[in-house]
Amino acid sequence: AQSVTQLDSHVSVSEGTPVLLRCNYSSSYSPSLFWYVQHPNKGLQLLLKYTSAATLVKGINGFEAEFKKSETSFHLTKPSAHMSDAAEYFCVVSEGSARQLTFGSGTQLTVLP
Amino acid sequence: SQTIHQWPATLVQPVGSPLSLECTVEGTSNPNLYWYRQAAGRGLQLLFYSVGIGQISSEVPQNLSASRPQDRQFILSSKKLLLSDSGFYLCAWSVGRVRGTEAFFGQGTRLTVV
Repeated sequence: AQSVTQLDSHVSVSEGTPVLLRCNYSSSYSPSLFWYVQHPNKGLQLLLKYTSAATLVKGINGFEAEFKKSETSFHLTKPSAHMSDAAEYFCVVSEGSARQLTFGSGTQLTVLP
Repeated sequence: SQTIHQWPATLVQPVGSPLSLECTVEGTSNPNLYWYRQAAGRGLQLLFYSVGIGQISSEVPQNLSASRPQDRQFILSSKKLLLSDSGFYLCAWSVGRVRGTEAFFGQGTRLTVV
């Protein structure tokens, strides 16, 4: 069985400071991992994905995530936050096809001026 | 390129009224299609998925049903809405039968049952 835990429901950072959104997963197999972003009343947009290639994955808008098997983590980072990064972020795990996606409960990112 | 359309964007319906939400995908053939619901302050719950025309799998028992009359069309319906059906509904698609593939989401429908 697979599961995903987003360790923080809310994160606040100042504009220009680093962003860290934490995600831990549980999987019986070699999982695929994803980060999605959702702005208010919008659909989910894929930021990046890990599918057993390089462990450091670069995504859109300057985000990246590192897959650490020993820690079962897939934390999302960005060196410098921008006001437009304020949104909800979802960590997602899959052991198989897309119908087996398991979503975390989300982390609301607030960026302060 | 592939695009997904979902409508309407917002909907306010009285309790007991019917529901029909529509989703279409362009630029791909034989996609897997999904309906998710996102309740306020909660994550996404998979309601239905379809791997082909007329093939619908339900993930949770509920007041809703889904149909796939055409390859790239997915419809979410209800005969009689309940207050608990309020939420944000998202349609999504993915490439069929590929391990590790992501889902691509529509813009969502905000449903308020009053």
